[in-house]
Amino acid sequence: QQQVKQSPQSLIVQKGGISIINCAYENTAFDYFPWYQQFPGKGPALLIAIRPDVSEKKEGRFTISFNKSAKQFSLHIMDSQPGDSATYFCAASYNFNKFYFGSGTKLNVKP
Amino acid sequence: DAGVIQSPRHEVTEMGQEVTLRCKPISGHNSLFWYRQTMMRGLELLIYFNNNVPIDDSGMPEDRFSAKMPNASFSTLKIQPSEPRDSAVYFCASRGRNGAYNEQFFGPGTRLTVL
Repeated sequence: QQQVKQSPQSLIVQKGGISIINCAYENTAFDYFPWYQQFPGKGPALLIAIRPDVSEKKEGRFTISFNKSAKQFSLHIMDSQPGDSATYFCAASYNFNKFYFGSGTKLNVKP
Repeated sequence: DAGVIQSPRHEVTEMGQEVTLRCKPISGHNSLFWYRQTMMRGLELLIYFNNNVPIDDSGMPEDRFSAKMPNASFSTLKIQPSEPRDSAVYFCASRGRNGAYNEQFFGPGTRLTVL
């Protein structure tokens, strides 16, 4: 059973637009929800993360919105830039050990 | 800091051969993770170590897969015998103690092709 479901699979956004990627999880024991960014030929890199005791976290143009009751969280990229074109993964874990990753969203920001 | 180092970066082998992937974690990190990434299954955790001890290997797909961490600066993932369905990108990641985000730092990956 897939622990973390991610959508959409791919996303095309115009430069300056807002990119939104959604994730849903099942296990209410999860207590850490990171987002990773991966460029071709590279390993994933941590972008931003949130704990379930807050509903939103913002770092620059990147914001995580978290809805504990719905067991959903999303990544918003404001003022999307061509350099943001990458694959984005959501993840969830408990006790910061075993991480479950979403299937990934390939973002293409058109200039 | 060199980051997580993986070798080889690319490996092409024939079915039935033994494959060994290597990882050097970031110095001072005490946790190490092996992941496999494929188009069909995404990014899957295979096994992780804390302080060189395997904690959870439930993601290791079959007995053909084995992993070791003989010391804090080196780990191997071995596939014997290899099969075409093992073709994937294998990532190693390491994590330090009590980081603000408990961030995992991923290596560049090893792209394995089994013919």
